[in-house]
Amino acid sequence: RKEVEQDPGPFNVPEGATVAFNCTYSNSASQSFFWYRQDCRKEPKLLMSVYSSGNEDGRFTAQLNRASQYISLLIRDSKLSDSATYLCVVNLNNNDMRFGAGTRLTVKP
Amino acid sequence: DAGVIQSPRHEVTEMGQEVTLRCKPISGHNSLFWYRQTMMRGLELLIYFNNNVPIDDSGMPEDRFSAKMPNASFSTLKIQPSEPRDSAVYFCASSLVLRASEQFFGPGTRLTVL
Repeated sequence: RKEVEQDPGPFNVPEGATVAFNCTYSNSASQSFFWYRQDCRKEPKLLMSVYSSGNEDGRFTAQLNRASQYISLLIRDSKLSDSATYLCVVNLNNNDMRFGAGTRLTVKP
Repeated sequence: DAGVIQSPRHEVTEMGQEVTLRCKPISGHNSLFWYRQTMMRGLELLIYFNNNVPIDDSGMPEDRFSAKMPNASFSTLKIQPSEPRDSAVYFCASSLVLRASEQFFGPGTRLTVL
């Protein structure tokens, strides 16, 4: 079983739609969690951290369920510029980061 | 800030040749990471350094791969001899040890081994 699993997609949604991505992780000792964004042929960039209580950053909402070892990312009112691959990342300790394979999102006009 | 700098951006070489990838981390960052990304395997951590010292190289595929960090501002990843299955995008990332979650990635080196 992979350490971090994501639905690879692709998710094709119209502008303005709400879309949600899920991610599961296998190591219950995982300490912290993140979503990174990667544009086509570019490097990954930190999108947001995921806190136990859930957190929001504008149109983006991240949630964590430690009991189920599950992380989610919700994007509301999606924009064309949201088209990218979203990587779920689990931090086992301070430097041991495990990346999911990514979920590809395409937002269409 | 120039961000993480990697060179070359693209490398095409023939099987059996030596390949050296270079990375300059963000000034002041004391952790450096080498990743490899392919369609099949996604993003894989190869090795990381804290304060120029290799901490975990368990992700290095085999003895053909080696990495060094002679000082705080420079690291290399070497493949000798290279094989077609090494073709991938190699990313270097840096961070502060205490905030390792915020890894800043370089633009990557796209390696093709023929």
